[in-house]
Amino acid sequence: QVQLQESGPGLVKPSETLSLTCTVSGDSVSSDSLYWNWIRQAPGKGLEWIGFVDYSGNTNYNPSLKRRVTMSLDTSKNQFSLKLWSVSAADTAVYYCAKQSGYNNWFDPWGRGTLVTVSS
Amino acid sequence: QSVLTQPRSVSESPGHSVTISCTATSTAVGAFDYVSWYQHHPGKAPKLMIFDVTKRPSGVPHRFSGSKSGNTASLTISGLQTEDEADYHCCSYAGGYTWVFGGGTKLTVL
Repeated sequence: QVQLQESGPGLVKPSETLSLTCTVSGDSVSSDSLYWNWIRQAPGKGLEWIGFVDYSGNTNYNPSLKRRVTMSLDTSKNQFSLKLWSVSAADTAVYYCAKQSGYNNWFDPWGRGTLVTVSS
Repeated sequence: QSVLTQPRSVSESPGHSVTISCTATSTAVGAFDYVSWYQHHPGKAPKLMIFDVTKRPSGVPHRFSGSKSGNTASLTISGLQTEDEADYHCCSYAGGYTWVFGGGTKLTVL
């Protein structure tokens, strides 16, 4: 059974960098044709797809966040990570990581999410 | 405003049926053939309930069904149970290896 767990600081100052890690168990982040996604939900808002890093380290990002996002794999730890630069209060959200297989257009499973607050 | 529009909330009584709509307001989602639905109980991981508009993953009760008509996809839950009370989110492929979500619908089972 695949499980994902987000981790990282719960508080980030404005203009600084948000860094989160997703630890995967029950599967390998470098397994062929797997895509590892980050999705967030700001308070009172809907979900927003941030982007993915695939099994070979290729990435694709939401055009609205592309200039501020970097995702990467750490195969030695079976983790993948998210960095969001120059954050503001608008980046306050619960951040989820989720698995996507092959060319499927759905996300399963997800982590439970981690709340990141941007505040001085 | 989201590319996918959902009602903010719906409510229904146990044992009854409810339908949650998800309307595409942009041609970015193309033929709207890759719609998925997620159930989210606060504090828990979102759970996949429907994929590719109508398909149900193993383990999801048959009470949950998906459909589409034109630019509106729908999730129908029949025989409502109290544990169905949750937030429901629709999602669609938006081309260029990107995905969009709706604003989410809070289902209350009275």
